[in-house]
Amino acid sequence: NAGVTQTPKFQVLKTGQSMTLQCAQDMNHNSMYWYRQDPGMGLRLIYYSASEGTTDKGEVPNGYNVSRLNKREFSLRLESAAPSQTSVYFCASSTPSGIGVEQFFGPGTRLTVL
Amino acid sequence: AQSVAQPEDQVNVAEGNPLTVKCTYSVSGNPYLFWYVQYPNRGLQFLLKYITGDNLVKGSYGFEAEFNKSQTSFHLKKPSALVSDSALYFCAVRDAFSGGYNKLIFGAGTRLAVHP
Repeated sequence: NAGVTQTPKFQVLKTGQSMTLQCAQDMNHNSMYWYRQDPGMGLRLIYYSASEGTTDKGEVPNGYNVSRLNKREFSLRLESAAPSQTSVYFCASSTPSGIGVEQFFGPGTRLTVL
Repeated sequence: AQSVAQPEDQVNVAEGNPLTVKCTYSVSGNPYLFWYVQYPNRGLQFLLKYITGDNLVKGSYGFEAEFNKSQTSFHLKKPSALVSDSALYFCAVRDAFSGGYNKLIFGAGTRLAVHP
């Protein structure tokens, strides 16, 4: 099992450019999440998806869109990148059943917007 | 408002000494609490969780955490620190308003430095 994989690992964009961050999991999890990590702020939830075809906003959704392509894949799109979106982005997944199940995280994408 | 506080940005410990990384929380209803560790340039790895039951929870790599309801705390502990424990540690609580999902609220993180 590869667990949760993310591509790319690193990306540099210019202000106004667009890009899509890819995430896939092979653990047959229903729920998937996108977070951003900024120094001194921990992880903040951008979007999450309970199952294929459903997505919901998290704490900081502005400037992002997501697509739950199928059960395995959950992508994050920046339509017009801004310097404030410079961050490390993590994808995570979990089983939906029960309360208090842990999330499994990918290795992250380090994004710099100039 | 629901929140998690990790009052120390960094904790320094000598190898072989006990370590404690502090976490306090504020959440509606029963808390579901987690600790994660992040090694450099890696994703977060689950260490342990408290859902219900015994206040002392044991997890991976010899770590344990003590749940204290009256102090709303969930401190991470290890009896004897290793240099390889040096990493960034995050405390998290399940968002009580996340319905059937398990949305997590994270603390800002504490960097643990274990010196030889």
